[in-house]
Order: sequence, then structure tokens, then C-alpha cells
Amino acid sequence: DTTVKQNPRYKLARVGKPVNLICSQTMNHDTMYWYQKKPNQAPKLLLFYYDKILNREADTFEKFQSSRPNNSFCSLYIGSAGLEYSAMYLCASSPGLGGREQYFGPGTRLTVL
Amino acid sequence: GEQVEQRPPHLSVREGDSAVIICTYTDPNSYYFFWYKQEPGAGLQLLMKVFSSTEINEGQGFTVLLNKKDKQLSLNLTAAHPGDSAVYFCAVRIMDSNYQLIWGSGTKLIIKP
Repeated sequence: DTTVKQNPRYKLARVGKPVNLICSQTMNHDTMYWYQKKPNQAPKLLLFYYDKILNREADTFEKFQSSRPNNSFCSLYIGSAGLEYSAMYLCASSPGLGGREQYFGPGTRLTVL
Repeated sequence: GEQVEQRPPHLSVREGDSAVIICTYTDPNSYYFFWYKQEPGAGLQLLMKVFSSTEINEGQGFTVLLNKKDKQLSLNLTAAHPGDSAVYFCAVRIMDSNYQLIWGSGTKLIIKP
């Protein structure tokens, strides 16, 4: 089973309010990723966990938080949503780093009003 | 750093015809290549992972060609059918300490009856 699950599939949030997105995988993958994807753009890596180590991209460092309480779950947290956060958020996992393929979840479509 | 150019951004072909999507990369140290397919409302589905040592890779209804001399990766659909309608992304990984995938900007493929 190569399924990555994401909840919720759709999220509506108000400007200035927090948002918490959830991802899970049961493949015992070492690495879990969060991407932001906007229409007609490539996925943009926000952060990833390799085991318990969180790596955040420099340009999104202060905007997104994450936690990984165990190997299967990973969350993405936005403390104060802005209009520019409206996007599809994709979670992925891979069995390690390097050249390992990433398996994606169906995404959470976040709309900030 | 590595840059990946994907073209065309939009492609429309008739059912049964062939379709070709090309990604051109810049870093000669690129060593893993991926094609992903995103159907409407869904996450990214891994179509194929290509190692730098393999130039021709066969899938179900498609072929992936890697031309290292010209630094090009192509996805060739041999006889398109309606289920091929989707957005396709290439992604490239290079040999450095950063484990990111460098993504193409995507190609929206429409199959007309």
C-alpha cells in the first residue's frame, strides 16, 4: 500500500486565523514532505522531516511550522493565515533521502478569506 | 543552481495520437529523474523514476527517454486516450547535499475525442 492520506481535503480559513493540516502514511517511510502548489506553478517545497529532524526552506522558515509525533504522522501549521496562503498543500513521503521516489497524498485545498 | 525547463505548457492532441513533453535541465550532475501525473482534484502520481544510466524506459502506454548529451528528458505517449488528460511534471535530483527535487513548471495535456 503506497497510500499517503491527507486531512482535510478542503479547508476554509479566515485571514489571521491558524490552520492545521494533517498527513499520514503507513509505509514506514523515513521522510515526509510538505509542498505548496498554486495553479500553473510547480510544487514548492516548504519543509521536510527526515526521521525526527525538521528541515525548513529559508524563504518559508517563519511562515510554516510542522510536527511529526511519530513515523506515520506529520502536520503542517500556519499560525496566522494570509490570503497568499490559498493553495493546494501536498504531503509526500519517501523511504529515505537522495534518489528515492516520493509518494504524494491527494492534497488539501486551502482557501483563505 | 539546477534549472529545469518544461515544454510545452499546454498540449492538446486527438485520441490515438502521440504526445511528447520535454524537460531540459542544466546540471550535468543530475542523476535521478521523475515524471509525475496530476489528474484533476488529485495528488501527484509517480509515473516513472529514471536513473541517469538508463536512456530508454518503457511504461504502460508511454516511453521516457533520457538524452544526457543534450540534457533532455522526454515523456512520449504513444497512443493517447482520455485517461491521459492531466498535468504532467518532471522533476530532477542532482548530486549535492540538498535533497530537493527541482521541478518543471508542468504541462497540461488535453486529449480530444
